[in-house]
Amino acid sequence: NAGVMQNPRHLVRRRGQEARLRCSPMKGHSHVYWYRQLPEEGLKFMVYLQKENIIDESGMPKERFSAEFPKEGPSILRIQQVVRGDSAAYFCASRLREGTEAFFGQGTRLTVV
Amino acid sequence: GESVGLHLPTLSVQEGDNSIINCAYSNSASDYFIWYKQESGKGPQFIIDIRSNMDKRQGQRVTVLLNKTVKHLSLQIAATQPGDSAVYFCALGAAGNKLTFGGGTRVLVKP
Repeated sequence: NAGVMQNPRHLVRRRGQEARLRCSPMKGHSHVYWYRQLPEEGLKFMVYLQKENIIDESGMPKERFSAEFPKEGPSILRIQQVVRGDSAAYFCASRLREGTEAFFGQGTRLTVV
Repeated sequence: GESVGLHLPTLSVQEGDNSIINCAYSNSASDYFIWYKQESGKGPQFIIDIRSNMDKRQGQRVTVLLNKTVKHLSLQIAATQPGDSAVYFCALGAAGNKLTFGGGTRVLVKP
């Protein structure tokens, strides 16, 4: 029973390029969350999605960032025209339903050079 | 807005002693609380959870205490081991929305 799978584990992008981060939730989980973490800091909520719907995107920057969770396939966090300040670890979590534990992937570490 | 905070950013504990990690929260609507452990370079790992209709829950070597009156959550680790060295986060949730995380406490276990 595979856990939450994120890829790539490490991603290097030049300023101005696009970054695509993928997250495959645990089997049967339809709730997906994306978090961002800077070194030595906590996890900052970005977006909460269910299949084909964005439930809460209150933590997403208004520009350059978007997320989707299509009917088929992984959830995608997309960052356009990356800047150095986007460098961070991005974690995805999935839940079976609300009120249950969220399981996290190993994260994607984005470095913008 | 809601916020979650921790009292101690770093906790050093002797191997074999008990550890206590504290967490304060402000959102009275929170009804679900979780403790996560994060080791270096890895994602957060679920430790234990508790719902708002309880004030104590025990797991293997861990106990979570919830005091809703003062909005305080704690994690107790019994007989702390070197493998317990990590950063610990509390997280809280409410119906219909995301989990909100605290800033984390680093636990360093001394041999």
